[in-house]
Amino acid sequence: DARVTQTPRHKVTEMGQEVTMRCQPILGHNTVFWYRQTMMQGLELLAYFRNRAPLDDSGMPKDRFSAEMPDATLATLKIQPSEPRDSAVYFCASGLVLPQGSDTQYFGPGTRLTVL
Amino acid sequence: AQKVTQAQTEISVVEKEDVTLDCVYETRDTTYYLFWYKQPPSGELVFLIRRNSFDEQNEISGRYSWNFQKSTSSFNFTITASQVVDSAVYFCALSEAANTGGFKTIFGAGTRLFVKA
Repeated sequence: DARVTQTPRHKVTEMGQEVTMRCQPILGHNTVFWYRQTMMQGLELLAYFRNRAPLDDSGMPKDRFSAEMPDATLATLKIQPSEPRDSAVYFCASGLVLPQGSDTQYFGPGTRLTVL
Repeated sequence: AQKVTQAQTEISVVEKEDVTLDCVYETRDTTYYLFWYKQPPSGELVFLIRRNSFDEQNEISGRYSWNFQKSTSSFNFTITASQVVDSAVYFCALSEAANTGGFKTIFGAGTRLFVKA
């Protein structure tokens, strides 16, 4: 049963510290998405990649957030420096974009980030 | 621009009642995809269904059914004979082609469903 995995599941850190979240997409999927979920804003798309190339990161605060895919089995989302307003659940999702269109996104369990 | 509206913030029903969750969307594209996801109290997002804009057939899966109507831009979700395990937040989502390539997905605000025993 293929699943998206995310680490860590929970992270508590202090303001100003660097945070790195990792995601392993489902093998064979060619798109990866990062979302942030908060009570106030709901689910927001931060960035997405296709075939490891970033297609859209317009939802991401560029000054402190960065997203990369060093290889097909790993996606990272980094916050440096972190701030209390970054506290949220961060979800990674992967999917398979076919020539005929979009496929379903399958979500990981999320990383619950608390910045004190 | 894309938009997904789930007007019902919270719904509370008693077990075995039927319940319908509404979803209305806006898009300028003729090709797009609609999804429903379930987020139980444990927090994960579980895929329920995907429809493309050219397939207006309604779908039934067990106690779940979906009614897609392009004329009213709606993609409603009905749970028949609800159960306590159906208690969750349900998200409707719309995916359409993005300028940057690929498809961009936006989610509605979600509807929290409480099913009481």
